[in-house]
Amino acid sequence: GENVEQHPSTLSVQEGDSAVIKCTYSDSASNYFPWYKQELGKGPQLIIDIRSNVGEKKDQRIAVTLNKTAKHFSLHITETQPEDSAVYFCAANVPKAAGNKLTFGGGTRVLVKP
Amino acid sequence: NAGVTQTPKFQVLKTGQSMTLQCAQDMNHEYMSWYRQDPGMGLRLIHYSVGAGITDQGEVPNGYNVSRSTTEDFPLRLLSAAPSQTSVYFCASSPYRDVSYEQYFGPGTRLTVT
Repeated sequence: GENVEQHPSTLSVQEGDSAVIKCTYSDSASNYFPWYKQELGKGPQLIIDIRSNVGEKKDQRIAVTLNKTAKHFSLHITETQPEDSAVYFCAANVPKAAGNKLTFGGGTRVLVKP
Repeated sequence: NAGVTQTPKFQVLKTGQSMTLQCAQDMNHEYMSWYRQDPGMGLRLIHYSVGAGITDQGEVPNGYNVSRSTTEDFPLRLLSAAPSQTSVYFCASSPYRDVSYEQYFGPGTRLTVT
């Protein structure tokens, strides 16, 4: 089955700096790559996603890049703010005849220091 | 819209007891899923459904049953709770039929089995 690895597991950045989280996946059939942000005590919230026919997508301060050949994708957060502190999860979706399933990475705890 | 709701928020069970975690969504989403979240392991898919009357197993289905009699509800049943099922459980739904794109997560149920 699909395997998604996420690095680093923790990331501490100074407010205003950039943060980058990287994920690799194993199944070349994966076609959808979302990123979720989870704040303490809450459920994950979708912040950005990218499909396999696109190489990069940007939404204000966050961007995601996808390299299908190398089977890795990354989340970039620019001009970090204290409210960006959270756990971030990447995921990959492999299309299946009976329904698609997401496989998640292990998560990255991001701390933005003021 | 209330989105995805889960009850209860917290639950403590003794080994061998049974219970049902409730999940409901009011967005008319076809795709619904259950995940468990354990420290350092991200989210793992337990069961999912691509529409009323259709369910399938995810990555870690053992010890859990599901059914989908209506579009709105997707309960998760633990028939005989074990300490290994201590976890935080999240339900999610997607507006796309048959696929896991853009999943909306509920607030979670924290379950402790003693």
